[in-house]
Amino acid sequence: DAKTTQPPSMDCAEGRAANLPCNHSTISGNEYVYWYRQIHSQGPQYIIHGLKNNETNEMASLIITEDRKSSTLILPHATLRDTAVYYCIAISNFGNEKLTFGTGTRLTIIP
Amino acid sequence: DTEVTQTPKHLVMGMTNKKSLKCEQHMGHRAMYWYKQKAKKPPELMFVYSYEKLSINESVPSRFSPECPNSSLLNLHLHALQPEDSALYLCASRPTWRDTEAFFGQGTRLTVV
Repeated sequence: DAKTTQPPSMDCAEGRAANLPCNHSTISGNEYVYWYRQIHSQGPQYIIHGLKNNETNEMASLIITEDRKSSTLILPHATLRDTAVYYCIAISNFGNEKLTFGTGTRLTIIP
Repeated sequence: DTEVTQTPKHLVMGMTNKKSLKCEQHMGHRAMYWYKQKAKKPPELMFVYSYEKLSINESVPSRFSPECPNSSLLNLHLHALQPEDSALYLCASRPTWRDTEAFFGQGTRLTVV
């Protein structure tokens, strides 16, 4: 799996858009970009994933650059409940592959 | 049913005890994972099972012994653990045949005394 790099921490004001960057410059053609988040002491929660097109669901949007070397997770209207550690992972679509977490970004939403 | 259920939620065990952690899913996922997570650290992959066979062992000490008796159940047998093995143990499952997310359980908080 490709290595991912994320800033260790970010703050965002409540109600504003939170933009979380991820660098995955060694990503291979069959690897998807997945985003998970982990709220304190709970199991990681899936947010969104994509291969090369931008994606949107009810939780977030994912913007992947054309060269696929980086991506941005966007939480459009952050709430206090979005305070969590966010992990960006690159993994192929073979289900028995390693699902390896990097250090993630600790996002704090400020009232 | 889109849940991964882990039991127990909390476990305290002595260094000479033998205990087991259990993970169950009924989504038909044929890849299952065990992770160990220390405080303020990311989850660390321990084992991966694919079609009930161990496919990845991340050089985990033998005092941790995984078992996958059927496609819905994953166990982690613990024996002669050390206090530094105290952590949150997470289980996850994922389909093997399409791009979709892994589902995680809420974990077992293990304390070794």
